[in-house]
Amino acid sequence: QKEVEQDPGPLSVPEGAIVSLNCTYSNSAFQYFMWYRQYSRKGPELLMYTYSSGNKEDGRFTAQVDKSSKYISLFIRDSQPSDSATYLCAMRTSGTYKYIFGTGTRLKVLA
Amino acid sequence: DAGVTQSPTHLIKTRGQQVTLRCSPKSGHDTVSWYQQALGQGPQFIFQYYEEEERQRGNFPDRFSGHQFPNYSSELNVNALLLGDSALYLCASSPDSNYGYTFGSGTRLTVV
Repeated sequence: QKEVEQDPGPLSVPEGAIVSLNCTYSNSAFQYFMWYRQYSRKGPELLMYTYSSGNKEDGRFTAQVDKSSKYISLFIRDSQPSDSATYLCAMRTSGTYKYIFGTGTRLKVLA
Repeated sequence: DAGVTQSPTHLIKTRGQQVTLRCSPKSGHDTVSWYQQALGQGPQFIFQYYEEEERQRGNFPDRFSGHQFPNYSSELNVNALLLGDSALYLCASSPDSNYGYTFGSGTRLTVV
């Protein structure tokens, strides 16, 4: 079993929809969580960075961490065709500098 | 404000050769991490440099080595290249380990 699991997709949604992207993990010691967006053949772009549990909002993006369920989510409101990309989650414990990444979920927002 | 800059963008090498990849971190960032991303996979941690020292290493063989310079820029060296080393190599920087990482666009290495 991988430490971090993501559904690879593709997830196709119409423009304007609310998108929910998720990651599950097995290590209950994970404390730091990040979400990245990666366009084809480009480097990942940091969207959200959260520590421990709770919600964090930034513009159209909301990140949620549910440590009791070992589950994190990224919500995208009013999705746009330009949001079409692969979304990666990453996480680490407090005792390491190594982030573990999921394999990514491919999102397609249809105009 | 320039972000993380990596060079070269693309590289083709022959099996057995050696390669050096370069990274300039974002202004104000002193911590540099290197990741390897195979096609269709998430990035895998190679190592992290801070204060010119390797602070932590992932599960990569000794053929992978690095260096950080006083101006915080960094190099990744890979010796005795294998076909399986073909990947996108990403450099990420941060102002502190407790901040999110900013990635560069990567160097796409092809080993033939």
